Amino acid sequence: GENVEQHPSTLSVQEGDSAVIKCTYSDSASNYFPWYKQELGKRPQLIIDIRSNVGEKKDQRIAVTLNKTAKHFSLHITETQPEDSAVYFCAASISGYSTLTFGKGTMLLVSP
Amino acid sequence: EPEVTQTPSHQVTQMGQEVILRCVPISNHLYFYWYRQILGQKVEFLVSFYNNEISEKSEIFDDQFSVERPDGSNFTLKIRSTKLEDSAMYFCASSEVGEETQYFGPGTRLLVL
Repeated sequence: GENVEQHPSTLSVQEGDSAVIKCTYSDSASNYFPWYKQELGKRPQLIIDIRSNVGEKKDQRIAVTLNKTAKHFSLHITETQPEDSAVYFCAASISGYSTLTFGKGTMLLVSP
Repeated sequence: EPEVTQTPSHQVTQMGQEVILRCVPISNHLYFYWYRQILGQKVEFLVSFYNNEISEKSEIFDDQFSVERPDGSNFTLKIRSTKLEDSAMYFCASSEVGEETQYFGPGTRLLVL
């Protein structure tokens, strides 16, 4: 089955810096890659997703890039703010199948 | 904006007892899911449900687990005889037909003593 690896496990940045979180996946059939943000004790919330027919997607300060050949995808957050502090999870799935396979998460801490 | 809701938010039970976790998916969604997250670990898929039957299940979802849609709005996860290792946050999620995006509920924190 699919295996998703996520790095780093923790990331500390200063407010205003950029943050990059990287994930790799094993199943070349995977074609949908969402990113979820989970604040302490709260539900995972979708922040951005990308499908395998595009290489990059941007939404304000957040962007995701996908390299299908290398089977990796990354989350980029620019101009980080303290409210970006949370655990971020990447995931992968195959369209038409329901299973989301998650990475282990990255705890992002943005210091003022 | 419609959201997935779950009850209870917290449940404490004794080992061997049955628990039922309840979820109300977003009203026009027809795919439903249960995931669990052991404290400090990643979110793990348990089961998906569509058209009144299980679509997929993971190896975690053994005979102790069952799911049901008892009426037009609720979706339940039953654990027949809880074990200590069932202690986790259980998330329900739902999605529209033809859409991959899954929307998560706030979770039920289950503690088995």
